[in-house]
Amino acid sequence: QQQVKQSPQSLIVQKGGISIINCAYENTAFDYFPWYQQFPGKGPALLIAIRPDVSEKKEGRFTISFNKSAKQFSLHIMDSQPGDSATYFCAAISWREANNNAGNMLTFGGGTRLMVKP
Amino acid sequence: NAGVMQNPRHLVRRRGQEARLRCSPMKGHSHVYWYRQLPEEGLKFMVYLQKENIIDESGMPKERFSAEFPKEGPSILRIQQVVRGDSAAYFCASSRSGTGLSGELFFGEGSRLTVL
Repeated sequence: QQQVKQSPQSLIVQKGGISIINCAYENTAFDYFPWYQQFPGKGPALLIAIRPDVSEKKEGRFTISFNKSAKQFSLHIMDSQPGDSATYFCAAISWREANNNAGNMLTFGGGTRLMVKP
Repeated sequence: NAGVMQNPRHLVRRRGQEARLRCSPMKGHSHVYWYRQLPEEGLKFMVYLQKENIIDESGMPKERFSAEFPKEGPSILRIQQVVRGDSAAYFCASSRSGTGLSGELFFGEGSRLTVL
């Protein structure tokens, strides 16, 4: 299975600070990169996603930055709040492979446990 | 408008017993995915099914694990002769079409299996 490497494993940020989570991938066929947010005891939920034809996507306080040449993408949470405390997963998929019904699933990073202190 | 429903939410089994985890996808979704999450680890793909078909089971252990998604009823992940290493949270996700089209999976709240 293709790998997506995520860092850091855990992150502590003060309220109002910026949380930054990084992911790197190897498969150049990946062409869709979503981020999922998971609260304790719950299932992951889609937070924001990006395609490689843009370098940045912003939704409210959440921004994805994408560097195609470096095969890296990151999630920035501006003005972090205690309610943002959760585990964040980056993921990737190749639409081309998915359309062939091969590898038709998201590959997830290992997750980052974010704690925002009040 | 129910989301992905999984049951049981918690399941305790002794070594050697069988575990059956059920997943009802969101209404209108015909694609089901099972993922396993070990403590302090990420989500690992297990199997991708459409109605009555296993499309990709490349993440399934070769033995003791099986999955089905019958024409009627929920998808079932079955673990035979459970061992302590099977203790994990098992998440089901569904999508309206293959993730190649939308990339969005809708996850259930998971079934947490504890093997004593």
